[in-house]
Amino acid sequence: DAKTTQPNSMESNEEEPVHLPCNHSTISGTDYIHWYRQLPSQGPEYVIHGLTSNVNNRMASLAIAEDRKSSTLILHRATLRDAAVYYCILRDQTSGTYKYIFGTGTRLKVLA
Amino acid sequence: DVKVTQSSRYLVKRTGEKVFLECVQDMDHENMFWYRQDPGLGLRLIYFSYDVKMKEKGDIPEGYSVSREKKERFSLILESASTNQTSMYLCASSLSYFGGTDTQYFGPGTRLTVL
Repeated sequence: DAKTTQPNSMESNEEEPVHLPCNHSTISGTDYIHWYRQLPSQGPEYVIHGLTSNVNNRMASLAIAEDRKSSTLILHRATLRDAAVYYCILRDQTSGTYKYIFGTGTRLKVLA
Repeated sequence: DVKVTQSSRYLVKRTGEKVFLECVQDMDHENMFWYRQDPGLGLRLIYFSYDVKMKEKGDIPEGYSVSREKKERFSLILESASTNQTSMYLCASSLSYFGGTDTQYFGPGTRLTVL
């Protein structure tokens, strides 16, 4: 299974943009990049996903490198409610497996 | 709104007890999953089910079994609980088998302590 590497923790000031990096150098051509986040005392929740092109939704933006070996989740204006663990996951389109491989993620701390 | 519910938020059991963790989803999803989450290890898949009465082992199935008699309900069973099964257990469901774009919806988790 392709793996992802993320920093253990990051800090951001409230109302500033946050760029959460993820390396996935062994990504295959059919792997989708998914991001989930886990707020304190809750189960993970979906944030965004993409394949090759940059993606935007109401929660965040996903910037994917041209060679797809890395990606960045962008929170445009961090709020205290964005403090969570953010997981970058690869999801194979054709493997026939149901598996998401969750790593240990990046713990984002937002400072007031 | 999509909803996945788990029968208990906190559970304390004794070593050797049989433990049932229940998960219900109201979205008519085909797929359901059980994970455990431990500090420093992230989420690890125990079992999943892609249809009623169908199940597949995940990465760490030892010591667990599952049951899916109805589409909306997926149960995780610890036949004889042990202290190393103390963990947070998370249930999830998803609509589509098509893996690339499939989105999982998680329940709030059950924190199980085995004494």
